[in-house]
Amino acid sequence: AQKVTQAQTEISVVEKEDVTLDCVYETRDTTYYLFWYKQPPSGELVFLIRRNSFDEQNEISGRYSWNFQKSTSSFNFTITASQVVDSAVYFCALSGNTPLVFGKGTRLSVIA
Amino acid sequence: DSGVTQTPKHLITATGQRVTLRCSPRSGDLSVYWYQQSLDQGLQFLIQYYNGEERAKGNILERFSAQQFPDLHSELNLSSLELGDSALYFCASSVVSAGRYTDTQYFGPGTRLTVL
Repeated sequence: AQKVTQAQTEISVVEKEDVTLDCVYETRDTTYYLFWYKQPPSGELVFLIRRNSFDEQNEISGRYSWNFQKSTSSFNFTITASQVVDSAVYFCALSGNTPLVFGKGTRLSVIA
Repeated sequence: DSGVTQTPKHLITATGQRVTLRCSPRSGDLSVYWYQQSLDQGLQFLIQYYNGEERAKGNILERFSAQQFPDLHSELNLSSLELGDSALYFCASSVVSAGRYTDTQYFGPGTRLTVL
């Protein structure tokens, strides 16, 4: 069965600090996709990134970067120079031959 | 704005009642997915429809049902409601689903259901 583990339930940082959100996954599929979604206090789920299992290149988008390591089944998310607007719950998710499976989420609080 | 719309935004009802949640997918998306988000269970996949046909079922209770209409909008029907059904219900859509779930799913704003 597919499983996503986000071991960090809550993280609190001071503005401008860098923060890394961890995601570890389990799957038997040889081809699969990994996702990150953001859920701000307003409640909607916002898509951030999709990565397929054959592409282990790290990705950077502005202050956001993602590190995919197949050897450790991890897909970690780093926010550089965090801002108050980054405060949200972040979900890592996995799909392949079965529908999306989400982790429990990490609540990030960025304090001014 | 993801392009997925859901109505109503909030719904308050009593135990034993029946409600219908509505979702319109992004233009061009054929697949619609329903999810339930609760504090204890997290985000759980309920059911998927693709171009009007049921494609996959997750942890959906027998009291819940869904359908997708010819115009591709979808409705989730929840009946004999219990206190534990109180949750945020999301609809998501994606372009295609040819037996695999590799497309990005874009989520609507959700419907918050409160059962009193």
